[in-house]
Amino acid sequence: DTEVTQTPKHLVMGMTNKKSLKCEQHMGHRAMYWYKQKAKKPPELMFVYSYEKLSINESVPSRFSPECPNSSLLNLHLHALQPEDSALYLCASSQEGLAGYTGELFFGEGSRLTVL
Amino acid sequence: GNSVTQMEGPVTLSEEAFLTINCTYTATGYPSLFWYVQYPGEGLQLLLKATKADDKGSNKGFEATYRKETTSFHLEKGSVQVSDSAVYFCALMAPQNRDDKIIFGKGTRLHILP
Repeated sequence: DTEVTQTPKHLVMGMTNKKSLKCEQHMGHRAMYWYKQKAKKPPELMFVYSYEKLSINESVPSRFSPECPNSSLLNLHLHALQPEDSALYLCASSQEGLAGYTGELFFGEGSRLTVL
Repeated sequence: GNSVTQMEGPVTLSEEAFLTINCTYTATGYPSLFWYVQYPGEGLQLLLKATKADDKGSNKGFEATYRKETTSFHLEKGSVQVSDSAVYFCALMAPQNRDDKIIFGKGTRLHILP
């Protein structure tokens, strides 16, 4: 069983909707990540939070807004998305923050987003 | 820049066959190397890793050896099972900059026939 929990597993939204994806981990990990994965492609990094601070934003459009309320939770707020944003959104965590990053990531099962 | 190249597949094998998925890398310094696996409908899982030359990572019958002379990290398994059907991603992280991101290969889809 994965120890990174993502909700919802599936989400369908219109281009004018506002929705959020949620991620939770209770392993005491200090860094959390959002990845976007299109079909038959590797995951693409979007954001990294290290010790609850946004450390990396891979030039993601502002219609995606991350939030890290505490060390266990990570949200991704979605607004005015486009159909090409439809993808699997993966949350991940790592034991250390970026300063001690070893490349070992723990992924959730993902939230499959469809934008109509 | 740093990069990972792996055979894209799909690779189709019969159960109990020998598996090799090739992975080569380009990196400055001495990267850490990984194989991640993604089963259908799931996120990625770390399968094995190696952090220095000649290290062998192993897990669940899979093995990969960090070969600096050939810049390779090929994944092998002696006898595959239907349950090994998944997408396998080779990846690296260059350690000289801790803010560097893990770099994934394009993935290799593996189908095992009963």
